[in-house]
Formats: sequence, structure tokens, C-alpha cells
Amino acid sequence: DQQVKQNSPSLSVQEGRISILNCDYTNSMFDYFLWYKKYPAEGPTFLISISSIKDKNEDGRFTVFLNKSAKHLSLHIVPSQPGDSAVYFCAASAYSGAGSYQLTFGKGTKLSVIP
Amino acid sequence: DTGVSQDPRHKITKRGQNVTFRCDPISEHNRLYWYRQTLGQGPEFLTYFQNEAQLEKSRLLSDRFSAERPKGSFSTLEIQRTEQGDSAMYLCASRPTGAYEQYFGPGTRLTVT
Repeated sequence: DQQVKQNSPSLSVQEGRISILNCDYTNSMFDYFLWYKKYPAEGPTFLISISSIKDKNEDGRFTVFLNKSAKHLSLHIVPSQPGDSAVYFCAASAYSGAGSYQLTFGKGTKLSVIP
Repeated sequence: DTGVSQDPRHKITKRGQNVTFRCDPISEHNRLYWYRQTLGQGPEFLTYFQNEAQLEKSRLLSDRFSAERPKGSFSTLEIQRTEQGDSAMYLCASRPTGAYEQYFGPGTRLTVT
């Protein structure tokens, strides 16, 4: 049972246009959500996050939107640049008894930005 | 500002051999995590340390796996009697107190032949 789902394995976008990556979750205990970007042969790099008490967080070209009632979040990248081509992972965190706040990841969406 | 480092970056071993990986977290981060990532999947949580104490282990962490963080700084992950199913990328991450964001190292890619 996958608690964090990224239903689009891949996405192609023209340079300069908006990229929208989507993520759905099932566990209502998740209270913090993060997006990571991963290049081949490297570890995931933290991109942007959002607390469950907010519905939007913006950082430069990156904006994350959270719809708690729909258990859905999305990452908007505008304008998209060729250097944004990578695999994007959605991750969610919930409090555990041990306080780990371990991350539960989706399977990722491969974004290709075409020059 | 040095990030999380992992050693080795690649390891090829024969089935049945033991392997050990090392992770050096960001120096001021007292929380450390190990994850495993297989092809086409996102990283999956293995275990969590706060300082030197191992406080949480996933059901993925079979008894062939052991992790330590003896002085609350670097950590090691050992896999005994490796199996082909252990082939994966092993990722280490660290997190400072008061933050949710985890910072990942480059990973160790294990291939069991």
C-alpha cells in the first residue's frame, strides 16, 4: 500500500513554460511535505517544503500547493529551465513515537525540459 | 559547508559476503537516517539515530542488517551474508534539531553478484 503516490512517471515541458508535478497521499497523519530533486548518480537534494497548516509556499521559481481535503499537493516550476531536468520526489513526514519524522517517498516523476 | 558524505560510492560484492558502508553527516546534525532505494522506487526508510541511540528500525531492516553510530557522529551500516536482493542504492541523510528537512548524501550503490 503506497501512502505517497506520484502517478505520472514522466513529464516533458518546453523551456520557459510551467511544469506542474503532482502528488497524492493517503495517510492523514502526514503533517509535513517535501519535494526533492535527484540527478543520476547523486543523492536527493531538498527543494521546497510545506507544513500542513499552510496551503502554499513559494521559493523563487518553485511553489508548492497543498490541498488537505483532497490529500493532494503539487509543485509548480515557472519558468522551467533545462537544468530543471531531473527526477522529482514527493515525500511526507509524520510524527512517530520515536520522533524520527521519517520520510515516506513517492516513486518519482522524471521531468524533461526541452530547450 | 560540507554536506553528507558516504563511502564507498560503489561496492560490488559476491553473494554471501559481508559489506560495510560509512556515512558522515553534516557536523551539527544530531539526527541520522539510512534509506534504501531500488530501481524505479523512491527511497525507503531503514533506520534512525538520535545522537548515538538507534531509536527506530523499519521492518525492511532484517537481522542481516546492523547499523551503529558509536559516538553520535559518523554511522556505519553492515550487511551480513549479502543476497542479490540487497542490490540497491543505500542513502544516508541527516537533520538538525527543530527542522523537518533531511539532507542526503550521494549514496553507496551496492551490486551483489
